[in-house]
Amino acid sequence: DADVTQTPRNRITKTGKRIMLECSQTKGHDRMYWYRQDPGLGLRLIYYSFDVKDINKGEISDGYSVSRQAQAKFSLSLESAIPNQTALYFCATSGSSGANVLTFGAGSRLTVL
Amino acid sequence: GDSVTQMEGPVTLSEEAFLTINCTYTATGYPSLFWYVQYPGEGLQLLLKATKADDKGSNKGFEATYRKETTSFHLEKGSVQVSDSAVYFCALTNGNQFYFGTGTSLTVIP
Repeated sequence: DADVTQTPRNRITKTGKRIMLECSQTKGHDRMYWYRQDPGLGLRLIYYSFDVKDINKGEISDGYSVSRQAQAKFSLSLESAIPNQTALYFCATSGSSGANVLTFGAGSRLTVL
Repeated sequence: GDSVTQMEGPVTLSEEAFLTINCTYTATGYPSLFWYVQYPGEGLQLLLKATKADDKGSNKGFEATYRKETTSFHLEKGSVQVSDSAVYFCALTNGNQFYFGTGTSLTVIP
């Protein structure tokens, strides 16, 4: 099994719908992140969490919310999806000491019509 | 703030050609530097890393040296293969957040 699992892998939805992307990890890492990837823009940080009671906004948090249900689970919600949220979304985890390295999930491709 | 500037692509090379992808960074303190690779349809994977000045990261024939004097971490490979076709991302961390370049798409043709 993958260290970082994202569900769903692909989702097509309509404008105005609520969408949740889920992420779970078996790395035992404290830190979890949600990124968005768009062509030509690289990866942009949406939200991050350093432990269960910690939630921080990233570069592009507007229109998104997150929940850290447990150390191993970090979900991203789009309360009312819009077409410009069509993108590839990645969850990642890292440890909290030493030379941190991000471990990524395989990605969730979201299309908002 | 901290940031990474990466050579724009796409880059197309013939098999066995020499590869360089330029990366420069802006950061306070002493960041750790990384190269990640994304193969088609997959997530990003760590390719190599360096944690202090003059460190050389290497993996799968790829190398990059942490140059503090030029704030650079250029990726090189002496002889690319078709299987190296992917998108390459330069990144840094200050210990809390990670910052990524925009990615460079590499296509290697036989």
